[in-house]
Amino acid sequence: EAQVTQNPRYLITVTGKKLTVTCSQNMNHEYMSWYRQDPGLGLRQIYYSMNVEVTDKGDVPEGYKVSRKEKRNFPLILESPSPNQTSLYFCASSQDRPGGQYFGPGTRLTVT
Amino acid sequence: GQQVMQIPQYQHVQEGEDFTTYCNSSTTLSNIQWYKQRPGGHPVFLIQLVKSGEVKKQKRLTFQFGEAKKNSSLHITATQTTDVGTYFCAGRPGNTPLVFGKGTRLSVIA
Repeated sequence: EAQVTQNPRYLITVTGKKLTVTCSQNMNHEYMSWYRQDPGLGLRQIYYSMNVEVTDKGDVPEGYKVSRKEKRNFPLILESPSPNQTSLYFCASSQDRPGGQYFGPGTRLTVT
Repeated sequence: GQQVMQIPQYQHVQEGEDFTTYCNSSTTLSNIQWYKQRPGGHPVFLIQLVKSGEVKKQKRLTFQFGEAKKNSSLHITATQTTDVGTYFCAGRPGNTPLVFGKGTRLSVIA
């Protein structure tokens, strides 16, 4: 089954404790991206990747890091999480940049 | 940054009524995509429009892309309770990353 998976689905952590949210797709897609969704602000892109070892900033990259060492994986790293990073995070992938995106199930992160 | 404006923010309809959501950009979009997100779920890709004036249909859903490629609409005929959710448009101004509208939340009263 074609899908994008994210782990964990829910995470409660404390300020400053490094965390990684994993994302994996099994569709051999070249383009992957991370979004955060906040009430009243909609979906905002954090980072995207056009291909392996190619990443670029989206609209709200501050406080986040990503890597794309393999085509299928695109982890999101929060080196020092802060409460304003409490949000619902979605990973997405598409065959190419202009194409429609497949979204993962989401990761609800709470930083206290 | 670039913005894609979407209206209305909320819409409550009686089952069987029609529903339309509109998406507008101040700059020309290279394409427009539409997504649906059910409550508690993730966005699901519905369709992409690329050509000026393009119209596409999916059963009761009709999607339009404006002649100037600055606006788009999604129309649902005879809504059903299964249509409940938030509908997002997403556009790409030029060669920039995809920008999402804030969505229209549709409630359908049976």
